[in-house]
Amino acid sequence: KAGVTQTPRYLIKTRGQQVTLSCSPISGHRSVSWYQQTPGQGLQFLFEYFSETQRNKGNFPGRFSGRQFSNSRSEMNVSTLELGDSALYLCASSRTVQGNTGELFFGEGSRLTVL
Amino acid sequence: EDQVTQSPEALRLQEGESSSLNCSYTVSGLRGLFWYRQDPGKGPEFLFTLYSAGEEKEKERLKATLTKKESFLHITAPKPEDSATYLCAVQARYSTLTFGKGTMLLVSP
Repeated sequence: KAGVTQTPRYLIKTRGQQVTLSCSPISGHRSVSWYQQTPGQGLQFLFEYFSETQRNKGNFPGRFSGRQFSNSRSEMNVSTLELGDSALYLCASSRTVQGNTGELFFGEGSRLTVL
Repeated sequence: EDQVTQSPEALRLQEGESSSLNCSYTVSGLRGLFWYRQDPGKGPEFLFTLYSAGEEKEKERLKATLTKKESFLHITAPKPEDSATYLCAVQARYSTLTFGKGTMLLVSP
């Protein structure tokens, strides 16, 4: 059974640019959650999508956005990149919304470096 | 606001030297406490779910326990392959997971 797939794995951008990250969940999983991981803050919740609807949102500025498609694949976008956006962005999938399960299946992440 | 504090931040053990990792939490209406393992360059991997005080779960050399204020991850006779960052997360009812910053464990042969 294929796991959660995230692309790209690594990317380098400059301040002011925008970036789009992609996540393909495990087959049959309808919920996709996004997390930002940094050494100082640890794992911080960005948002969760279930059946193409945003179900939960973390405390991040509006520059961070996401969407989910009918096949459950998800993308997140960060506009007007800042140096502090450098982080590992992790996608996690689950069969149902996080509120009904805590067992998340994570991808290997997309490491973003902003110069 | 849900909070999770893990200690120590880093722990170095010799192979076979047992120890425990701590996860202290505050949450309004605990639905579950979760332990994950994260290897360098990888995403976290689910280990255990604990739902109520007094509950224990075991997997190979790992044993997780839960009280009303904290959880412990006991590692018995660790091996170098147990080296990883261990993450604790709590979940209030109908809410998303809140993660701690993790404990980085290094087991030397």
